[in-house]
Amino acid sequence: AQKVTQAQTEISVVEKEDVTLDCVYETRDTTYYLFWYKQPPSGELVFLIRRNSFDEQNEISGRYSWNFQKSTSSFNFTITASQVVDSAVYFCALSEPSHNTDKLIFGTGTRLQVFP
Amino acid sequence: EPEVTQTPSHQVTQMGQEVILRCVPISNHLYFYWYRQILGQKVEFLVSFYNNEISEKSEIFDDQFSVERPDGSNFTLKIRSTKLEDSAMYFCASSEGGAGGETQYFGPGTRLLVL
Repeated sequence: AQKVTQAQTEISVVEKEDVTLDCVYETRDTTYYLFWYKQPPSGELVFLIRRNSFDEQNEISGRYSWNFQKSTSSFNFTITASQVVDSAVYFCALSEPSHNTDKLIFGTGTRLQVFP
Repeated sequence: EPEVTQTPSHQVTQMGQEVILRCVPISNHLYFYWYRQILGQKVEFLVSFYNNEISEKSEIFDDQFSVERPDGSNFTLKIRSTKLEDSAMYFCASSEGGAGGETQYFGPGTRLLVL
């Protein structure tokens, strides 16, 4: 069965620290997609990244980087030099393509608090 | 930058009343979704919609829920007779394509409170 696990419920760091948010997924499909979304205190869901199962190359975007490892079914997210504005709940999600739909299966989220 | 919009941002209703949540997806997107998030919990899939029909629905999406695309721009979620447990944030999302891991872009959500 498809499942996304974010074992870290809450993480607190001080500004400028690096922090890694863990995501472990379960799927029987060979083709799947992984996503990260950010939910700031205002409540909206902001798309951060999409990665397909055939592309294990790590990605860096500014202070954000993602480490995808199929061998451990993990798609971890690292924020370098964290800032107060990074405080939010971060969700990892999985999509398994099927006929005419792309429902997202979300993890339970990790609440990140960055203190000045 | 195009975005998904939702109205209202907040809605308070009495148990048993009907509510309609509205969404305007990104204009060139063809696939539409509703999700809900009970306070403090994860985001859960409700329904997906393509070509004017439901393509998939979850077990949460029972007979009291319905979706509609009444015109070329709006996408609505109707809850016929609200229950206390329907209190949640409801998110609309849209994607350009489907069945290919397309990115879903979410609206800001409607916070529904059922009293």
